[in-house]
Amino acid sequence: TQLLEQSPQFLSIQEGENLTVYCNSSSVFSSLQWYRQEPGEGPVLLVTVVTGGEVKKLKRLTFQFGDARKDSSLHITAAQPGDTGLYLCAGESGGGSNYKLTFGKGTLLTVNP
Amino acid sequence: SAVISQKPSRDICQRGTSLTIQCQVDSQVTMMFWYRQQPGQSLTLIATANQGSEATYESGFVIDKFPISRPNLTFSTLTVSNMSPEDSSIYLCSVRGAQETQYFGPGTRLLVL
Repeated sequence: TQLLEQSPQFLSIQEGENLTVYCNSSSVFSSLQWYRQEPGEGPVLLVTVVTGGEVKKLKRLTFQFGDARKDSSLHITAAQPGDTGLYLCAGESGGGSNYKLTFGKGTLLTVNP
Repeated sequence: SAVISQKPSRDICQRGTSLTIQCQVDSQVTMMFWYRQQPGQSLTLIATANQGSEATYESGFVIDKFPISRPNLTFSTLTVSNMSPEDSSIYLCSVRGAQETQYFGPGTRLLVL
């Protein structure tokens, strides 16, 4: 069974602070995806990282895929209240009809003004 | 992008009854999925809804409990049968759209009393 462990589970910070969320697994994934989910809505894809060691930036968000393609991190610089939400990582495996996404439990981030 | 709608958005049901959740996509998609999101748990894949054939269920989920229909490439239903309080959860429809991006519906919030 493939598992993705996310940490921390909860994070409450002040506006302007930096933070890092981690996503770790013992399994290798073909890609790793990060989603943000707001209350009452479904998850929305933020980024997909595919290559080991890859770094992608999305404004104040920096995503990194580990060299062995088993772990990833999300770093937010100068967090804002609008960044509040549930951040989920998901590992992609299989292909064609065997395609599957395995999700971590998520990190619930609260950014206080 | 794919726009997904789900009905109902929420419901409160009595134990022993069944609820059918509808998922409508604004474009034709090959792959359609049903997930469950319980408090404090990962998004868990229930099954892949296949057009023209039986759904493919993940370990721990069975057709008798979660029958799925997929009559065409834009619509699917998930029925939660003979409900118990343990079935209280958010149920999410998801599709794999263009450029292999996965999109989620807003979810159906189910409370079983």
